[in-house]
Amino acid sequence: LAKTTQPISMDSYEGQEVNITCSHNNIATNDYITWYQQFPSQGPRFIIQGYKTKVTNEVASLFIPADRKSSTLSLPRVSLSDTAVYYCLVGDRNTGKLIFGQGTTLQVKP
Amino acid sequence: DTGVSQDPRHKITKRGQNVTFRCDPISEHNRLYWYRQTLGQGPEFLTYFQNEAQLEKSRLLSDRFSAERPKGSFSTLEIQRTEQGDSAMYLCASSVGLAGGPPNTGELFFGEGSRLTVL
Repeated sequence: LAKTTQPISMDSYEGQEVNITCSHNNIATNDYITWYQQFPSQGPRFIIQGYKTKVTNEVASLFIPADRKSSTLSLPRVSLSDTAVYYCLVGDRNTGKLIFGQGTTLQVKP
Repeated sequence: DTGVSQDPRHKITKRGQNVTFRCDPISEHNRLYWYRQTLGQGPEFLTYFQNEAQLEKSRLLSDRFSAERPKGSFSTLEIQRTEQGDSAMYLCASSVGLAGGPPNTGELFFGEGSRLTVL
């Protein structure tokens, strides 16, 4: 089964750029890598999705190297409201099941 | 509200009882997913449907768990003979997917979850 590894927690200050990396192996070759944000007592919310290289939207960037064994979510100029848990989501190569990482708790300080 | 809705939001039950959760996905979404999440952990995949067909099922889904999506619209997740270890948040998500395509090709829209407490 696909396995993902993320840092358990990260601290940052308002206005800084934050990069969260997820390592993943045995992921589906034709599948996307997706990142979600979750606040307490809420369901996860989509942030960004990519297949290879770099993707950017209005809230984040996603960097995926050619070997697709990792992905890095980049949050520019974080604010206090970005304090949340961030998950990578990948598809398992053999079963196609969607596997969430353990999550990275980001704490943004003033 | 046109998002994913789950019912009930909270359920407290005694060990050994049966419980059923309902999920109403976004109306034009053909894929529906069930996940289970315990405190401090990422969501664990349980099962997913493409229309009314159940395409994948986790081994976490023991014979006490069953999910249905009879008309390709709403879905139910039933847990029979609940155990204390079943206490968790049960999350439902829906998405648009191409038939035969990879499950993770689009945004999953999650509901707020149904929190189960088994006493």
